Amino acid sequence: GIQVEQSPPDLILQEGANSTLRCNFSDSVNNLQWFHQNPWGQLINLFYIPSGTKQNGRLSATTVATERYSLLYISSSQTTDSGVYFCAVERPAGTALIFGKGTTLSVSS
Amino acid sequence: ETGVTQSPTHLIKTRGQQVTLRCSSQSGHNTVSWYQQALGQGPQFIFQYYREEENGRGNFPPRFSGLQFPNYSSELNVNALELDDSALYLCASSLPWGETQYFGPGTRLLVL
Repeated sequence: GIQVEQSPPDLILQEGANSTLRCNFSDSVNNLQWFHQNPWGQLINLFYIPSGTKQNGRLSATTVATERYSLLYISSSQTTDSGVYFCAVERPAGTALIFGKGTTLSVSS
Repeated sequence: ETGVTQSPTHLIKTRGQQVTLRCSSQSGHNTVSWYQQALGQGPQFIFQYYREEENGRGNFPPRFSGLQFPNYSSELNVNALELDDSALYLCASSLPWGETQYFGPGTRLLVL
């Protein structure tokens, strides 16, 4: 089956710093989503981005489908950005989102 | 527009018991997927329902079963609970075929 690898596994930042999270996937996909899981377990949609670039405030994401990777950029990080960031993909004609193991981000003031 | 809701929020059961978890889809969504998230792991796909029919299943035994109702709400049933079933169970709703999935807040199940 398709493999999803996220890096780094852990990231510790000072408030105000920028960061880049990476997601590599092993096969063609027709759906790629980035999520932020808050301390209560809620998965919050950040981006639906099977290809191209999107921006939402301090967050932006780029997926290069032909090279099978996606990047999530967080600028001017805040303590509320702390949590686990997941990348998830879905194969063409598939039904399941396949998740990576996540990147745990800790932002301190 | 209401989001995805799940009930109960927390549940404690003993080994061998049966449990039913419930999910209400986001308005207009006819596809519901269930995921199991063990501590420290990413969510794993259990199954998906589309128009009341199972539309795909992950690597889970038959004691994990589900239903989808005409209003697109859904149930996850787990029989003969095992200690390893302790996890966060997440429901997601979407339109079919590769569209954005929106997750509910989850049900935390503890099996003793």
